[in-house]
Amino acid sequence: NAGVTQTPKFRVLKTGQSMTLLCAQDMNHEYMYWYRQDPGMGLRLIHYSVGEGTTAKGEVPDGYNVSRLKKQNFLLGLESAAPSQTSVYFCASSSQTTGEQYFGPGTRLTVT
Amino acid sequence: AQSVAQPEDQVNVAEGNPLTVKCTYSVSGNPYLFWYVQYPNRGLQFLLKYITGDNLVKGSYGFEAEFNKSQTSFHLKKPSALVSDSALYFCAVRDGRGSTLGRLYFGRGTQLTVWP
Repeated sequence: NAGVTQTPKFRVLKTGQSMTLLCAQDMNHEYMYWYRQDPGMGLRLIHYSVGEGTTAKGEVPDGYNVSRLKKQNFLLGLESAAPSQTSVYFCASSSQTTGEQYFGPGTRLTVT
Repeated sequence: AQSVAQPEDQVNVAEGNPLTVKCTYSVSGNPYLFWYVQYPNRGLQFLLKYITGDNLVKGSYGFEAEFNKSQTSFHLKKPSALVSDSALYFCAVRDGRGSTLGRLYFGRGTQLTVWP
């Protein structure tokens, strides 16, 4: 049972480049989330999804887009990367009934 | 609005001593509260949660948390700390309203260091 997986683990981008982060979960969870973690800031919610085909904005959505075409996958896109998007990105999923979120191992993104 | 405060950025404790990591919350309605731990270069791991029932909740690795409604607190505790408990700890509260059901609000984290 893999739980929540994230691809890639590391990435370096130049300003203006685009990329997509992939999150997959095998727990049949309804809800999925994308967070960013920055030193001293805790975790900040970027976007989330309460079901296939449905997404919503979190605290810091600007500069990011998401899609949830399949229940098990949640994609985070950066259309034009900026240095301010240098961060560690975590994906999480949760069941509609139990509430606790299960996290992936993270993607460390550096934008130069 | 839902929010969580972790008033201590750092907690230092000697191995074998009891530890407490503090958390206070603000939420509309009944709170669903969670504790997570993060080891270096890893994702967050779920430790325990309070939904309803006993105010003392037991979780993984010998941790427990005490829910206090009058003080709006949910402090994490362990009777005897281990060096391996050294990590970053996050408290979180769940929003139970409408379409945001399931969304968690996290505190900024408390770095726990247990020295030998």
